[in-house]
Amino acid sequence: KAGVTQTPRYLIKTRGQQVTLSCSPISGHRSVSWYQQTPGQGLQFLFEYFSETQRNKGNFPGRFSGRQFSNSRSEMNVSTLELGDSALYLCASSLDGGRNYEQYFGPGTRLTVT
Amino acid sequence: DAKTTQPNSMESNEEEPVHLPCNHSTISGTDYIHWYRQLPSQGPEYVIHGLTSNVNNRMASLAIAEDRKSSTLILHRATLRDAAVYYCIRAIMIYNQGGKLIFGQGTELSVKP
Repeated sequence: KAGVTQTPRYLIKTRGQQVTLSCSPISGHRSVSWYQQTPGQGLQFLFEYFSETQRNKGNFPGRFSGRQFSNSRSEMNVSTLELGDSALYLCASSLDGGRNYEQYFGPGTRLTVT
Repeated sequence: DAKTTQPNSMESNEEEPVHLPCNHSTISGTDYIHWYRQLPSQGPEYVIHGLTSNVNNRMASLAIAEDRKSSTLILHRATLRDAAVYYCIRAIMIYNQGGKLIFGQGTELSVKP
């Protein structure tokens, strides 16, 4: 069974630009969650999508958004990039997304904002 | 959401057991405790999770205190491949559906041959 894939793996953008990251979950998984990892803040929950609907959201500004398609693939978008958005963005998929289910993480997209 | 508390780093010898502690004194009755580990340049990998009872799987054991304010991840025989950052996580329920993982800062485990 193929794992979670994320594209692109590396990205360099300049301040003010926007970026779209993509995540393909494990086949059959309906929940996709996104996390931001930085050296200072560690891993922080961004949002979760389930059956094309955003079900949960973390404490991030509205510049961070996402969507999920009917095949469960998900994208996240960051508009008006700031230097502080430089981070590793991880997506994770699970069957249901509930707290009693394990999540499978992708390798992440390393975003650098200059 | 309150995070869990873990030691920043721990050392172990190869083939010896390792006990990784975690404090989650503000945990609610519906939160699950998850453990994940992360190797360099990889995403986190699921290790184990539980609610109240001790849990075992092929990778590790999870011992949860009776009051649920702390837990311990036990690696029975550490190998060099177990060197990683281990995260103790609260998996919280949101509005009776779904959930999210609240990561602590993690414990960096080094294993000496």
